[in-house]
Amino acid sequence: GQNIDQPTEMTATEGAIVQINCTYQTSGFNGLFWYQQHAGEAPTFLSYNVLDGLEEKGRFSSFLSRSKGYSYLLLKELQMKDSASYLCAVTDSNYQLIWGAGTKLIIKP
Amino acid sequence: ETGVTQTPRHLVMGMTNKKSLKCEQHLGHNAMYWYKQSAKKPLELMFVYNFKEQTENNSVPSRFSPECPNSSHLFLHLHTLQPEDSALYLCASSQDYELSGEKLFFGSGTQLSVL
Repeated sequence: GQNIDQPTEMTATEGAIVQINCTYQTSGFNGLFWYQQHAGEAPTFLSYNVLDGLEEKGRFSSFLSRSKGYSYLLLKELQMKDSASYLCAVTDSNYQLIWGAGTKLIIKP
Repeated sequence: ETGVTQTPRHLVMGMTNKKSLKCEQHLGHNAMYWYKQSAKKPLELMFVYNFKEQTENNSVPSRFSPECPNSSHLFLHLHTLQPEDSALYLCASSQDYELSGEKLFFGSGTQLSVL
């Protein structure tokens, strides 16, 4: 079966750095997405990785290792508004999106 | 601004009611999706329409009936639902379907409670 694993919940402090991990076992691989979803709102696109390495976009970075079936989302200089759920999703060989259950990130002052 | 609008935002219905969820996208996209989001579970793809034609129906019970009159509008008709159908129903769109790197644009969802 196909599976995406990510922690259910994480807590971090304002101004700090947090890393949210995602591991996947899928039938093939055609890219990995990270989405952010604030409570009661629409998920919004954060990043897309299809090649190994680190993609940096402002305070957010996303890393991919295809050989390890592993990705992480790195959030720097955390702000209270970063409190949200972060969804990891992988496109398999049939271009179907396989979703993780999401990681709820709680930022404390 | 996501460009995808869903109504209503909240819906409470009894098991014998009939209701409809509406989704509209203003992005000129060709593909539209219905997803079900339950607490602490992955997003579940329900239906996909590509150029107004249904391409996916992931074993969804017949009490959920989709309708796509044109590329900009998508409906989900609900009837004789069960309490376990209570969830957040998300509509999404993308420029194309089944292409690598195709990102989704989501609406804010309809929070459905079935009593």
